Amino acid sequence: DGGITQSPKYLFRKEGQNVTLSCEQNLNHDAMYWYRQDPGQGLRLIYYSQIVNDFQKGDIAEGYSVSREKKESFPLTVTSAQKNPTAFYLCASSPGPGVYQETQYFGPGTRLLVL
Amino acid sequence: ELKVEQNPLFLSMQEGKNYTIYCNYSTTSDRLYWYRQDPGKSLESLFVLLSNGAVKQEGRLMASLDTKARLSTLHITAAVHDLSATYFCAVDPPRGGTASKLTFGTGTRLQVTL
Repeated sequence: DGGITQSPKYLFRKEGQNVTLSCEQNLNHDAMYWYRQDPGQGLRLIYYSQIVNDFQKGDIAEGYSVSREKKESFPLTVTSAQKNPTAFYLCASSPGPGVYQETQYFGPGTRLLVL
Repeated sequence: ELKVEQNPLFLSMQEGKNYTIYCNYSTTSDRLYWYRQDPGKSLESLFVLLSNGAVKQEGRLMASLDTKARLSTLHITAAVHDLSATYFCAVDPPRGGTASKLTFGTGTRLQVTL
């Protein structure tokens, strides 16, 4: 059963704490993405990765970090430098450039709340 | 900087009625996507539009793309309650062989009432 999984579903962060959100895909997709969604708004790109061991900043990368050591995994760390982290975080993957009608597919999301 | 605007932001419509959601974008695009999001859930892909004049239909939803006007529409025919959700358009600028970088509109929240 192919898809994208994210964990945990809910995450609570204390002030000054770093937290890591997990994203795993078994679709054999090359590209993976992290988005942030604030209430009543669209999605904004945090980081993306085209291939293993490579990643690029998106539009709102400050306060976040990522790694891409395996094709199927793209964890996102929300650092203490991110002053307003409360949001819904969505991970996505896509086959990569050159695929006809390439589409990004989204995981179920992680809701991050600050205590 | 690519900007994507949707209107209306909120739409309340009666079952059985027709309506159109508009998506305008500010720069040349390789492709345009429509997604659906139910409350508290993730995004579900509806359509990908690749070229000027592209039209796609699935059930009561039909999407079209006019690249010259930088405009996409999502038309809803004879709405039913199950279509209640938030609809997003997303634009992928020309990327020369790199991964897509979608810019999303703010979404249109559709509420279908009896």
